[in-house]
Amino acid sequence: DVKVTQSSRYLVKRTGEKVFLECVQDMDHENMFWYRQDPGLGLRLIYFSYDVKMKEKGDIPEGYSVSREKKERFSLILESASTNQTSMYLCASAKAGAGDIQYFGAGTRLSVL
Amino acid sequence: AQSVTQLDSHVSVSEGTPVLLRCNYSSSYSPSLFWYVQHPNKGLQLLLKYTSAATLVKGINGFEAEFKKSETSFHLTKPSAHMSDAAEYFCVVNPYKAAGNKLTFGGGTRVLVKP
Repeated sequence: DVKVTQSSRYLVKRTGEKVFLECVQDMDHENMFWYRQDPGLGLRLIYFSYDVKMKEKGDIPEGYSVSREKKERFSLILESASTNQTSMYLCASAKAGAGDIQYFGAGTRLSVL
Repeated sequence: AQSVTQLDSHVSVSEGTPVLLRCNYSSSYSPSLFWYVQHPNKGLQLLLKYTSAATLVKGINGFEAEFKKSETSFHLTKPSAHMSDAAEYFCVVNPYKAAGNKLTFGGGTRVLVKP
């Protein structure tokens, strides 16, 4: 079974802090994704990566950056956390190719106070 | 541009009765379509996937969905709801079948199953 592991289930941070969310997958997938999930809005893509050190902006990249130094690990960084970044963050991975299934982690619920 | 509209934000059914979750999409290309389910405090799990092989797609746990190109719909159904079906369901489109895996998600439908 594919496993996508997010390092924290719950995080509480203060406004202005730098926040790191980590995601690791064990299936040698080329593609990895970070989403945020808010009620009524579904999931919105923040950033994705299709190879090591490669990244592309998604629909809502403002206030976020990412890092992919190794194929299995994709990090989401909030440079200076703000209260409007309080949300559920979901990581996913997928094999490269058209229309392939994305596999999701359990999510990190981040609260910024 | 592509979009996905889930027509009901909440659906309430009694155990043993049919479930219908409605989804309409727009896409400039012939898309791949998915339904995912999210149980409380869990990640998303794939229920089923449409990729143009057959218009009626069977998924896990007794769910199925029908692709209707003329109506740009991909509704999810189950003949008989079970208590374990209480969850949030997402209709998802991948419009770029030829390249990449960028998905567009609907807003979600939360299903409540009454005993």
